[in-house]
Amino acid sequence: KAGVTQTPRYLIKTRGQQVTLSCSPISGHRSVSWYQQTPGQGLQFLFEYFSETQRNKGNFPGRFSGRQFSNSRSEMNVSTLELGDSALYLCASSLAGTSYTGELFFGEGSRLTVL
Amino acid sequence: AQKVTQAQTEISVVEKEDVTLDCVYETRDTTYYLFWYKQPPSGELVFLIRRNSFDEQNEISGRYSWNFQKSTSSFNFTITASQVVDSAVYFCALSEDNYKLSFGAGTTVTVRA
Repeated sequence: KAGVTQTPRYLIKTRGQQVTLSCSPISGHRSVSWYQQTPGQGLQFLFEYFSETQRNKGNFPGRFSGRQFSNSRSEMNVSTLELGDSALYLCASSLAGTSYTGELFFGEGSRLTVL
Repeated sequence: AQKVTQAQTEISVVEKEDVTLDCVYETRDTTYYLFWYKQPPSGELVFLIRRNSFDEQNEISGRYSWNFQKSTSSFNFTITASQVVDSAVYFCALSEDNYKLSFGAGTTVTVRA
C-alpha cells in the first residue's frame, strides 16, 4: 500500500513569508504527527492530530499551526518565517486510537530552506 | 520530562562486524514505549522495533536484536553481521503514551565494504 506522502519535497522561502506543507497518511490511518528535524535540535515533536482534533502540541511558537481534514490529510503552516525554521519537516501517520501504542510511519519529509 | 540519550555520535565498522547502539532514557512513568528507528539518506524514518515497559524480554529479529533493561534504563540495539545497506542514522525514541515521541540525537552508522 502507498506510504506517507509529503509535498512539496523541497522549497525555498525568504524571511517573513509563510509556508504550507501537506501530508497524506497511509490509507486507514487516522493519526498524523509532525516533527521538525534540524542539525542543532534534532527531531522535535510539533503536533499530533486524530480525527481532525489536535491531541498534543510540542513546544513551538504560535507561528506553527496545523490542521487535519476529514479524509485524514493534514497540513502544517509556518507564518512569518525565520532563518531558524530551516529544517526537514517530517510527517508520520499511525493507526493510534485512544492511546499511543503503535509505530509511526514516516514520509520522506519536506525540506524547507529560509533565506 | 522525558529524555533519551544516545552517547555514540558516530560508529564506523567493516562489513560483517556487529554493531551495538546504546540508548539510555529517563522517565517518571511506569508505562512507556521504546522504539528504534532508522533514517537512511532518503530522509524518511523507518520503524525497526518497539518495546513496552512491561516486557523486558529480549528478542532477535533477523539480524536485529535488542537488550532492554529497566534497572539501568537502557534499550540497546545490535545489528549482527552488518551490511553496507545498514549505513544510516539510528534513533532511539521514547513515548509515554501521550501521542508523541522523544528522540535521541541519533547515531550515524557507517558500514564499509
